[in-house]
Amino acid sequence: GQQLNQSPQSMFIQEGEDVSMNCTSSSIFNTWLWYKQEPGEGPVLLIALYKAGELTSNGRLTAQFGITRKDSFLNISASIPSDVGIYFCAGRPTTYQLTFGKGTKLSVIP
Amino acid sequence: SQTIHQWPATLVQPVGSPLSLECTVEGTSNPNLYWYRQAAGRGLQLLFYSVGIGQISSEVPQNLSASRPQDRQFILSSKKLLLSDSGFYLCAGYLLRNTEAFFGQGTRLTVV
Repeated sequence: GQQLNQSPQSMFIQEGEDVSMNCTSSSIFNTWLWYKQEPGEGPVLLIALYKAGELTSNGRLTAQFGITRKDSFLNISASIPSDVGIYFCAGRPTTYQLTFGKGTKLSVIP
Repeated sequence: SQTIHQWPATLVQPVGSPLSLECTVEGTSNPNLYWYRQAAGRGLQLLFYSVGIGQISSEVPQNLSASRPQDRQFILSSKKLLLSDSGFYLCAGYLLRNTEAFFGQGTRLTVV
């Protein structure tokens, strides 16, 4: 199936720092989604992007749909301890499929 | 709002025993439904998806099967579990007109 390359795999940052992670694909996607998963829970949607070039914010989170439609990034500003978790990008290569990246594990040091 | 219910939350099963995990949807009709498996807290592997009653597409050959007996019910099964079937199983769904997939809380399966 489709593969998404998500980087970095893990990050250790100081509280208050900004965070940036990204996803790339060899195929064009029509939708990019960013999820956060906390231990023992299902992923929760953070931001959805539907148009190339779209830049969307949700509080301290900002995500962009790349203009080539093959990439997306997520930024978190002024990180706090509750930001810890695994962040997943997801893309829709076809109407019915939803492909996930392997996740970025974020650790915030108080 | 759309909600997915999964049960049980945790399950410990011996090798060779059968499996049945159930996922039900509330708040929407005719959703596309998905089963994912997550190993070691990382990566979501798509196992099955369904676009309607009785319609199942398999993404990965494995020891598991899926069924959709009703519009809002999606079941993951196995006749004989293997140790490698251990993992965190997630059910997800979305409507075509709403491209935001929503997830259940997951089932932690340990095969011993």
